[in-house]
Amino acid sequence: NAGVTQTPKFRILKIGQSMTLQCTQDMNHNYMYWYRQDPGMGLKLIYYSVGAGITDKGEVPNGYNVSRSTTEDFPLRLELAAPSQTSVYFCASNERVGTGELFFGEGSRLTVL
Amino acid sequence: AQSVAQPEDQVNVAEGNPLTVKCTYSVSGNPYLFWYVQYPNRGLQFLLKYITGDNLVKGSYGFEAEFNKSQTSFHLKKPSALVSDSALYFCAVSLDTGRRALTFGSGTRLQVQP
Repeated sequence: NAGVTQTPKFRILKIGQSMTLQCTQDMNHNYMYWYRQDPGMGLKLIYYSVGAGITDKGEVPNGYNVSRSTTEDFPLRLELAAPSQTSVYFCASNERVGTGELFFGEGSRLTVL
Repeated sequence: AQSVAQPEDQVNVAEGNPLTVKCTYSVSGNPYLFWYVQYPNRGLQFLLKYITGDNLVKGSYGFEAEFNKSQTSFHLKKPSALVSDSALYFCAVSLDTGRRALTFGSGTRLQVQP
């Protein structure tokens, strides 16, 4: 009964380094999302995907890239990390965009120093 | 564009008292509205949603929310608060076309005192 699984849970990066946050879901959901959560700011949508091979930008895509080669996986790539990318990142999925309940992973806390 | 406002950063209530967490929204069309709860160091969990129909929606853990179209509000309520209800609550909205991802509010921290 895994649901949405994110790795790693914690990571510290130096400015300019790159990394990939992994996300996988076992519910056969077509729709997947990456959000970032900053204190007092709620969740901001970074990227989303409506199915394998299809991705689109959200509100705050700059500095990030995504790919969706399979239904299960939706990794988020940070290139040239900056302190402004210090945040908690959540991956989520659902059956139908906009109307269906979102299932969230437990989050990945990233600190860029 | 779609947006959500949660005007209170924090709500304090005594255990056993009723609670209300406020949410107002703005969309160009008919809204789909959601409430999620986040416990410390966890992802968000779905509580309830309004898609269409009855304005009073019942959800998990005894929570309910009332959709008010004229006031563009979707306040979360519970008749009797529990200490275990203490958490961060998020309101979210999308358009009834179903083609937009959810937009979340900034969150309201609920503290229930014993």
